[in-house]
Order: sequence, then C-alpha cells, then structure tokens
Amino acid sequence: KNQVEQSPQSLIILEGKNCTLQCNYTVSPFSNLRWYKQDTGRGPVSLTIMTFSENTKSNGRYTATLDADTKQSSLHITASQLSDSASYICVVSAWGSYIPTFGRGTSLIVHP
Amino acid sequence: NAGVTQTPKFRVLKTGQSMTLLCAQDMNHEYMYWYRQDPGMGLRLIHYSVGEGTTAKGEVPDGYNVSRLKKQNFLLGLESAAPSQTSVYFCASSYGEDYGYTFGSGTRLTVV
Repeated sequence: KNQVEQSPQSLIILEGKNCTLQCNYTVSPFSNLRWYKQDTGRGPVSLTIMTFSENTKSNGRYTATLDADTKQSSLHITASQLSDSASYICVVSAWGSYIPTFGRGTSLIVHP
Repeated sequence: NAGVTQTPKFRVLKTGQSMTLLCAQDMNHEYMYWYRQDPGMGLRLIHYSVGEGTTAKGEVPDGYNVSRLKKQNFLLGLESAAPSQTSVYFCASSYGEDYGYTFGSGTRLTVV
C-alpha cells in the first residue's frame, strides 16, 4: 500500500531560526513529490515539485531535497518568519496513477 | 486572475438533504479534482476529471457524484447527505499529473 509519513507531527520554533521537515514514502513506481503549504482555513499552496531526476529545488526560503534511493524528502525553511506558521504537506504520485498519496502534514508554529 | 473558485464557502445541511458544490477555474487546466479534508487525516480524493466530459472515482467516492460538462467547471453533488460527510471540501485543478495543483479556498460543510 502506498504511504507517506511526515515528521514531526508538529514543531514550534522561534522567528529567525531554521527548521527541517521530513517526508518518507513507500509510493511505487515513483513519479513526483510535491510540498504544499496550507494556512489555517485556506487551501494548500504549491511550494515545490520534484521528479525522479531532481534532488533539490528551492522556492525562496524553502528548499526541498529528494533522495529517491532511500525514498526520503525534506523541506528546509531558512530564517523563519511568523507567516511560515502553517501546515506543510508532502504529496507523492506514482506513475500511471491519478490518485496521489497525501501525508498528514507537519504543523509548524513560529513564535516571535 | 481568480484561479480556482469554490461556492459556497460554508453550508449546513440536514441529514438526507442534497446539495451541489461548484468549482470553477480560469486557468484552462485539463485536470480537476475534488478532495475532502478531515481532522488528523491527509486529503482524500473523492472524484477527479482528466478533461471535459470525463469523470472517475477516487479513494472515497461513495455518496458523491460529479459532472464536468464544461472544461472550467467541476460540480460535486451529495444526493442524500449524512453526518459522515461533514468535512472541508477542496477543489483543485492542474495541467496534468506532473504539475502542481492549484487549490480553491474550500467549502466547510456540516451535516446535522
């Protein structure tokens, strides 16, 4: 069964600090991995999308990495801001499937 | 550019009532999706469409029907609402499976 596990479930950091969120998956055959940011009461917003041949992709202060061999991805947030407080969702798609597998998300709270 | 627009934003239904949720996108995306999001769970795909006039079942299709008569619109119907359908519903669209999704802002549905 395809699964996506995210850790930690929740994280509290101080403004200005860096943090890293983890995503492990068992989806096969792998097609792509996406990271989304979801603010409370809003729909998810796409941060990055990576295919098998890509091992890093950045979007401003967000940098995603992918290790397709170990089936792991991480999302690194640099110099956190209060507006980074949100849920971060990892989504993995398999070749030939229209149904991606969503992780349950990591809830990030940034305190001033 | 409005992106993905969902109507209504909130709705309370009595058990057994029916309703239709409307999703409209102005990005000329081929693919459209309906998801539900429940506390502590990842987003789950209800139905999806890969083009005008096409629909297909996702992970949790029971109790829902959909139609895609026009490329820009994707309708989600509840024929006889049940309390288990209390959830937040998100519509999304994309150019294809290798592209990120654009999500709407959600519809919060309560069935009493």
